[in-house]
Amino acid sequence: QKEVEQNSGPLSVPEGAIASLNCTYSDRGSQSFFWYRQYSGKSPELIMFIYSNGDKEDGRFTAQLNKASQYVSLLIRDSQPSDSATYLCAVTPSGTYKYIFGTGTRLKVLA
Amino acid sequence: NAGVMQNPRHLVRRRGQEARLRCSPMKGHSHVYWYRQLPEEGLKFMVYLQKENIIDESGMPKERFSAEFPKEGPSILRIQQVVRGDSAAYFCASSPAGNTDTQYFGPGTRLTVL
Repeated sequence: QKEVEQNSGPLSVPEGAIASLNCTYSDRGSQSFFWYRQYSGKSPELIMFIYSNGDKEDGRFTAQLNKASQYVSLLIRDSQPSDSATYLCAVTPSGTYKYIFGTGTRLKVLA
Repeated sequence: NAGVMQNPRHLVRRRGQEARLRCSPMKGHSHVYWYRQLPEEGLKFMVYLQKENIIDESGMPKERFSAEFPKEGPSILRIQQVVRGDSAAYFCASSPAGNTDTQYFGPGTRLTVL
């Protein structure tokens, strides 16, 4: 079992729709959870982080964390073609500072 | 307000040569992390350093790879006797002292081994 799993996609959504990206992790003691966006050939760009169970909203983005089920998700409302990118989920396992990344989900927003 | 800086952005080496990748963290950041991204794969943690200390090198290959973060100057990731399998994007990230959770990534160095 991979430590952090994401569906590789591509996930295609029409412009203006809600994109839902999911991530599961294996280390139950993980403390911190991050979503990064990576455009092709570019570096990861931090979108959001979440530490506690529940929802966290920032503009069009909402991160959701469920530690009991060991999953974290990212919702993108009013999706735009410029949101087309690979979204990386990162988890900090218990007792460490390093990130464990999923392989990413490729999102395509169709105009 | 400069972000994380890496150089060179692109590096071409022949098999057997040495590659040196440099990373300057964001101003005020004293924690540096190196990650490697192979084509079509996710980022893999390599090493975590603070000034003059290697904190976690659990992701570093046992041979040919080394990293340092001296008191003065950038962090260096050094790959000796490169092989074609070392071709990848190498990203450096930094975080501020006292807030080691959120890491900010540099633009990366794309290493090509011929």
